[in-house]
Amino acid sequence: NAGVMQNPRHLVRRRGQEARLRCSPVKGHSHVYWYRQLPEEGLKFMVYLQKENIIDESGMPKERFSAEFPKEGPSILRIQQVVRGDSAAYFCASSPTETHSYEQYFGPGTRLTVT
Amino acid sequence: AQRVTQPEKLLSVFKGAPVELKCNYSYSGSPELFWYVQYSRQRLQLLLRHISRESIKGFTADLNKGETSFHLKKPFAQEEDSAMYYCALPNAGGTSYGKLTFGQGTILTVHP
Repeated sequence: NAGVMQNPRHLVRRRGQEARLRCSPVKGHSHVYWYRQLPEEGLKFMVYLQKENIIDESGMPKERFSAEFPKEGPSILRIQQVVRGDSAAYFCASSPTETHSYEQYFGPGTRLTVT
Repeated sequence: AQRVTQPEKLLSVFKGAPVELKCNYSYSGSPELFWYVQYSRQRLQLLLRHISRESIKGFTADLNKGETSFHLKKPFAQEEDSAMYYCALPNAGGTSYGKLTFGQGTILTVHP
């Protein structure tokens, strides 16, 4: 029973490039959450998605960041024109339903380094 | 706005000693609270939630509404308890209940 998968595990981008982070939830889970962990800080909520819908993006920076969870395929967190401050660990989590949404299953994270 | 505070970034104890990881929250209403743990080289996982009132791996946590605290306790720490611990609070409501607010985490080190 595969858990939440994230790839790549490590991503290096130069300033101005695009970063694409992928998340495959636990099979059967239709709710996906993205969190960011900046150095020396805790996890901060970014966005909550269901299939083809963004439910809550209150934690997403207003510019350059976008997320999707298509009907088929993984959820994607996209960061355009990356800057050094985007360097962080990005974690994805999934849950089967919203009722039990607090029991979230986490992926191993993608560590983004912007040079 | 809801908030979770873990005042200790680092906590060191010796094996067999009691351990308490502190968590304070600000929230209007009846909160649900959780402890997540991340062992070395493993992913973040749910340790326990207060509504279940269970003991997991010897850990317990009691919700104290008067002190707005949800401290995690274990009477006799083991070396395998060394990990990063996060206290978390689900969203207060609104349109989505999935959002978790995390504390900054406490790194627990249990020395032999």
